[in-house]
Amino acid sequence: EAGVAQSPRYKIIEKRQSVAFWCNPISGHATLYWYQQILGQGPKLLIQFQNNGVVDDSQLPKDRFSAERLKGVDSTLKIQPAKLEDSAVYLCASSLAVTGNEQFFGPGTRLTVL
Amino acid sequence: KQEVTQIPAALSVPEGENLVLNCSFTDSAIYNLQWFRQDPGKGLTSLLLIQSSQREQTSGRLNASLDKSSGRSTLYIAASQPGDSATYLCAVSPGNTPLVFGKGTRLSVIA
Repeated sequence: EAGVAQSPRYKIIEKRQSVAFWCNPISGHATLYWYQQILGQGPKLLIQFQNNGVVDDSQLPKDRFSAERLKGVDSTLKIQPAKLEDSAVYLCASSLAVTGNEQFFGPGTRLTVL
Repeated sequence: KQEVTQIPAALSVPEGENLVLNCSFTDSAIYNLQWFRQDPGKGLTSLLLIQSSQREQTSGRLNASLDKSSGRSTLYIAASQPGDSATYLCAVSPGNTPLVFGKGTRLSVIA
């Protein structure tokens, strides 16, 4: 069974530029999560989708971050414009359903904002 | 608000030792608890998932226990190997809300 796929693996941009990350969850997983992991910290949820609907985006900085999940499969997370403090690893995860299922993570995208 | 604490933050042990990593959480109303491994520059690999009704789970040399009433979980690693060197993260699921993670324990197993 293929795991969660993410691209790119690494990205370096200047502050105020835009960047987009892509995630393809495990086939059949209805729930998709985007997490931000700052160095030395545990991952923090940015947004959670159930199929193509948003379940929780309470911690998403909506003035600069946006995410979509077209057709309930792939998802894209965008930052525009980026700030220095956005430097982090962005992790995508998926699970079969919302409540209590095991989450499986992708390899992450390491973003460096200069 | 649920908070997860992992102690110690870092641990260095000689190869072959048995070791215990600790995780505590403030709200005992959890659905399950999950232990992950994270290698440098990589994503998270799920190690063990313990449902709230369970007391422990085992996988190979790993054993995780859960005491929901006291808000504690431990991850026991038997006969540690250099390949076990990684950061171990504990996360709790309050149910239909997302995982809440600790900051992790960075483990180094010295050959």
